[in-house]
Amino acid sequence: NAGVTQTPKFQVLKTGQSMTLQCAQDMNHEYMSWYRQDPGMGLRLIHYSVGAGITDQGEVPNGYNVSRSTTEDFPLRLLSAAPSQTSVYFCASSAGGYSNQPQHFGDGTRLSIL
Amino acid sequence: GENVEQHPSTLSVQEGDSAVIKCTYSDSASNYFPWYKQELGKRPQLIIDIRSNVGEKKDQRIAVTLNKTAKHFSLHITETQPEDSAVYFCAAESYNTDKLIFGTGTRLQVFP
Repeated sequence: NAGVTQTPKFQVLKTGQSMTLQCAQDMNHEYMSWYRQDPGMGLRLIHYSVGAGITDQGEVPNGYNVSRSTTEDFPLRLLSAAPSQTSVYFCASSAGGYSNQPQHFGDGTRLSIL
Repeated sequence: GENVEQHPSTLSVQEGDSAVIKCTYSDSASNYFPWYKQELGKRPQLIIDIRSNVGEKKDQRIAVTLNKTAKHFSLHITETQPEDSAVYFCAAESYNTDKLIFGTGTRLQVFP
């Protein structure tokens, strides 16, 4: 079991560029989510999904899109990168949000927007 | 909306002393409260969790308490060791929204 795999680990973008952060899990988890982590602000929920075909907004969804076409994958898209989106991004999965199962995190993607 | 407040933001203790981190939550529908430890440059990792039908849970040197009436929950680490040094996050999940909302973190330093 690889757990939760995030790619890339590091990325530098220019303002206005778009990109997709990849997240895949091999634990057959229904629940997946994306967080961003900024100094002094903890982990803030961007978007989450309780199953394939279902997504919902978290605390800070603006500037990000997600889709969930399969149980395994939950990509995060930045449509037009801005310096304020410089952050560390974590993807997480759990067996089911309805049953309050522990979330397992990936290693993170460190994103810099110039 | 949902909110989780965490205090203190930094905590320094001598090896062998106890450490206590406190959190409050706003959503009365919250029913799951995990705690995560994050070492520098690493992913957050679950260390203990508690559900709303339980008031206290222990795992060796770590314990968590929950006061649903006051919407408070706390992490207690006894006999601290230098390897306990890390950032600790509390979180609360609501059965209404399925959102897991995190506190802002506590940086714990344990001095030998």
